[in-house]
This record gives sequence, structure tokens and C-alpha cells, in this order.
Amino acid sequence: AQSVTQPDIHITVSEGASLELRCNYSYGATPYLFWYVQSPGQGLQLLLKYFSGDTLVQGIKGFEAEFKRSQSSFNLRKPSVHWSDAAEYFCAVGALGGYSTLTFGKGTMLLVSP
Amino acid sequence: DGGITQSPKYLFRKEGQNVTLSCEQNLNHDAMYWYRQDPGQGLRLIYYSQIVNDFQKGDIAEGYSVSREKKESFPLTVTSAQKNPTAFYLCASRQPAGEGSNQPQHFGDGTRLSIL
Repeated sequence: AQSVTQPDIHITVSEGASLELRCNYSYGATPYLFWYVQSPGQGLQLLLKYFSGDTLVQGIKGFEAEFKRSQSSFNLRKPSVHWSDAAEYFCAVGALGGYSTLTFGKGTMLLVSP
Repeated sequence: DGGITQSPKYLFRKEGQNVTLSCEQNLNHDAMYWYRQDPGQGLRLIYYSQIVNDFQKGDIAEGYSVSREKKESFPLTVTSAQKNPTAFYLCASRQPAGEGSNQPQHFGDGTRLSIL
């Protein structure tokens, strides 16, 4: 069965500092990986996705993620965090093709300090 | 603009009462999904539908029911059998994958259900 682990429940980063959110997945085939962001009381917004090709993926809002098959990881990064980045971040994994469902991690809450 | 509309934004249920959450999309997507979100639990799949008049149970379907009579609509009923219905409910949709590609799920803004 597929699974996603986000080891950090909360992370606090100073504004302007760099950010890395960790995501480890378990999946038996080639995974299809996502990062979503959720502001309080809102739905999820897609930041970026990976299914093949270049292992460094660029997304919206200055985010990027790197797929490392050997480590089963898909960590999210941003070089300089803005206060508006404070939100909850979810990593998800699914299968390629068809109408496959997604398995989500439990999320990492990002707090940005002044 | 195309998108997913969930209504109402807030919903209150009395003990023993069934309630229905609405989800409508105008993205012309074939597949639709319902998730439940509890603090610290991430998103858990309740039901999903790949095509009109067909749907499958997800990981936590007990106490819930759905219908898919139209492509645009995928309502979720929280029945009285669901003993702990207080949660944030999210609806999503997506197009099927093409050869060598894939499409992400798009989400609505959610409905927060509480028990009176």
C-alpha cells in the first residue's frame, strides 16, 4: 500500500530564511508526487507536481521540489520565505494513469516569524 | 472561471439527522472525490467517482453515502450512522491521465460540519 510521511508537524522559519519541508513516500511503482498548500479554512492549492523527467521541479510562488528515488523523498524548498507562506503543506502520492486516487501525508504547518 | 463550488461553507447537524453537502464543478472533469480532514490527520478519502452513475468507497466510507447522477455534481450525505461527523470536508475533481501524463486534483473551498 502507498503511504506518505511528513516527519515535521510544525516548522517555524524566520522571514527571509530558506525553507525545506520533508516528504518521504512508499510506493511500489513509479510514483506521481504532489505538493499542495492550504490556508486556514480553505481548500488545497497545487504548488507543483512530478511524474517523470527532470527530478527538480519548479512550482508556483517560488517553490521547488526535488525527487530522489534512492531516498524515496520529494522535499519542498524555497530560498526565501515570505510571511504570506505561512500555511499548511501537504505532500501526496498516486499512481500514473487513469483515475488513480491520492494518498496524502498528515501535513506540515509552516509558521513564519518576523 | 472554471472551478469547484462547495456549499454550504458551514453546516450544523443535530443528533440523528442526515445532512447533504453539495459539490458542483464546471471543469468538465470526469472524476470527483470526497475527503474528510481532521486536525493532524491529513486528508482521508471517503468516496470517489470516475464516471456518472458509478462510485467507489474510499478508506473511510462508513456512515457516508454519495450519488453521481450528473457529471457536474457529486453530493455527499453524512448519515446518522456516522458517529463523529465533525470535520472539514473537501471535494476535488480531475481529468483522467493521458498517455505518459497525468492531471492533478483540483479542490473546492470545503464545508465545515459541526454537531449541535
